[in-house]
This record gives sequence, structure tokens and C-alpha cells, in this order.
Amino acid sequence: NAGVTQTPKFRILKIGQSMTLQCAQDMNHNYMYWYRQDPGMGLKLIYYSVGAGITDKGEVPNGYNVSRSTTEDFPLRLELAAPSQTSVYFCASSYYGIQDTQYFGPGTRLTVL
Amino acid sequence: QKEVEQDPGPLSVPEGAIVSLNCTYSNSAFQYFMWYRQYSRKGPELLMYTYSSGNKEDGRFTAQVDKSSKYISLFIRDSQPSDSATYLCAMSVNNAGNMLTFGGGTRLMVKP
Repeated sequence: NAGVTQTPKFRILKIGQSMTLQCAQDMNHNYMYWYRQDPGMGLKLIYYSVGAGITDKGEVPNGYNVSRSTTEDFPLRLELAAPSQTSVYFCASSYYGIQDTQYFGPGTRLTVL
Repeated sequence: QKEVEQDPGPLSVPEGAIVSLNCTYSNSAFQYFMWYRQYSRKGPELLMYTYSSGNKEDGRFTAQVDKSSKYISLFIRDSQPSDSATYLCAMSVNNAGNMLTFGGGTRLMVKP
């Protein structure tokens, strides 16, 4: 199994540009999550999904959108990128909810200039 | 005030030392407590998971929860250079929800 994969690994965006961060898992997990990690601030939940077609907001959803059309994929869309969105983005998945082990992807480092 | 506080470190110890990593929190409703290890430029990986108060041991790692003091700890015995990483605590109110609250992480360096 590849586990949780994320693309791209790195990206530089200009203010106002848009992009989609890709996340895929091959473990047939129901739950998928998007976090951002800022230096010294821990991880903050952006959006999560409990299954295909079902998504919900986390702690910091503003400026982001998600969709979950399949069990495997959970892309994160950034519209109108802002410098405040400079961060490392992690996708994670688990079979059940948070009482189950979350498996994290390697992250995407995004810089908005 | 952050909901979950961790000393960012870095904490530098010699190989073989006992390491104590700690988190304090303000929300008395937290019941589920986790420790994650994160190597540089990698995603976090779950180390320990505990429910409510008490101790849990797994090999060289012991997780301790003191809900009365709102304080959790992770002890690493016989620390190894491979333990050098950032350790994040995380906690949740219940296991039906999907919101984990993370601390900022403590960077640990184990010197050979």
C-alpha cells in the first residue's frame, strides 16, 4: 500500500492565484482530513470528510474548499491565495473517527508571495 | 491563551537519558489524549493513545494523564538518537467528533 499520498510536495503561488492540493489514500479509509501546520502552532483542522459525498468544516475553513467524490480522493482547493495561507498542508485518513489511528501524508509546502 | 500548551524546546539530552515531554490544557472536557511523533519534513505518526486519566506503557514510551491538573506527559526511557523529532500532543472531547486540538510541539534532540 502507498498509504496517503499528496501532490505537489512544494508550490509557490502568487497572491490571488488558485490551486488544488491533491490527496489520495489506498487503505479504504472512510475518514479523511486536511490540516495546516504553521511553525510552532501545531496542526489545525481545515476540513474533514466521513465518507464520499460528505464533508464538513474544521477549525480554520475560510479560504478553502473541498470535495469528496470517491473514497480514495480528497482534494483541497485554495481560491484567491493570500500570504496567510503560507503553510505546510497535511492530509490524513483513518478508518473510523479520531479514536482510530490517523495516517498522515508527507505534506505540501505552500508559499504565497 | 492557547487551548493546549507545549514548550517548543529544543530539548537536548544525551543518549540513554529519560525524557519527559509535557502538555497542559485548559478545556476540562478533553477525554482522549494522543502523542504524535513528527520527523523533520514528514507527516506526524501516532505514538500513544489514552482515554481519561492514568498511565499507558508501550515499550520505551509511557503516556500519563492527570485530568485533575489538566496535564499530560510522555516519558521516553533509554532515549536513542532515532527519537530525535518533534513530539505533538493532541486531545479531543469525545471519540464521536472529528476535532483534534494539537499542541505546538516540542522538538527533542538526543545526542549520541
